[in-house]
Amino acid sequence: DQQVKQNSPSLSVQEGRISILNCDYTNSMFDYFLWYKKYPAEGPTFLISISSIKDKNEDGRFTVFLNKSAKHLSLHIVPSQPGDSAVYFCAASPFHKFYFGSGTKLNVKP
Amino acid sequence: GAGVSQTPSNKVTEKGKYVELRCDPISGHTALYWYRQSLGQGPEFLIYFQGTGAADDSGLPNDRFFAVRPEGSVSTLKIQRTERGDSAVYLCASSPTGAYQETQYFGPGTRLLVL
Repeated sequence: DQQVKQNSPSLSVQEGRISILNCDYTNSMFDYFLWYKKYPAEGPTFLISISSIKDKNEDGRFTVFLNKSAKHLSLHIVPSQPGDSAVYFCAASPFHKFYFGSGTKLNVKP
Repeated sequence: GAGVSQTPSNKVTEKGKYVELRCDPISGHTALYWYRQSLGQGPEFLIYFQGTGAADDSGLPNDRFFAVRPEGSVSTLKIQRTERGDSAVYLCASSPTGAYQETQYFGPGTRLLVL
């Protein structure tokens, strides 16, 4: 029973354009959400997080949006760069246990 | 500063053997987590340590899996009588205190292959 879902296994975007990665969750107890980025043969690297008391958090080129009523979050990357090409995981937690989606592989084309 | 480190980076073993995977958390972090990532999936929670004690081991799949953290720093994940289905990347993460809404920082993982 997957409580966090990323329905797009892959996404291809042109350099300089916006990348939008989506994530849905089912558990209304989740109140902390994160995005991690993963390169091959490396562990996940923390990117950005958001608490359920907010609906938006921004850090440079990265913005996370949270829609609690729809149980949906998204990561926007503007502008996208070739170095952003990686697998992106969303995660959600009610406390110490993180639940991860299956990842979206982003390819940013030069 | 140094991040989370894990050894070995790769481990190949035969079905039925015993393996130990080691995790060195970020210095000073009291909270430590183990996750397992199967091919094409996201990481799945195994166990959470607060200091020396396992505060939540609800993710351990069965009693062949066991983890320790005797001095509140380094942790070892132990798998007895390995099965082919145990093949996965085992990830360790740490966080400063285990407090509410605290980011977890991951190591590079140990790739376990059971033949």
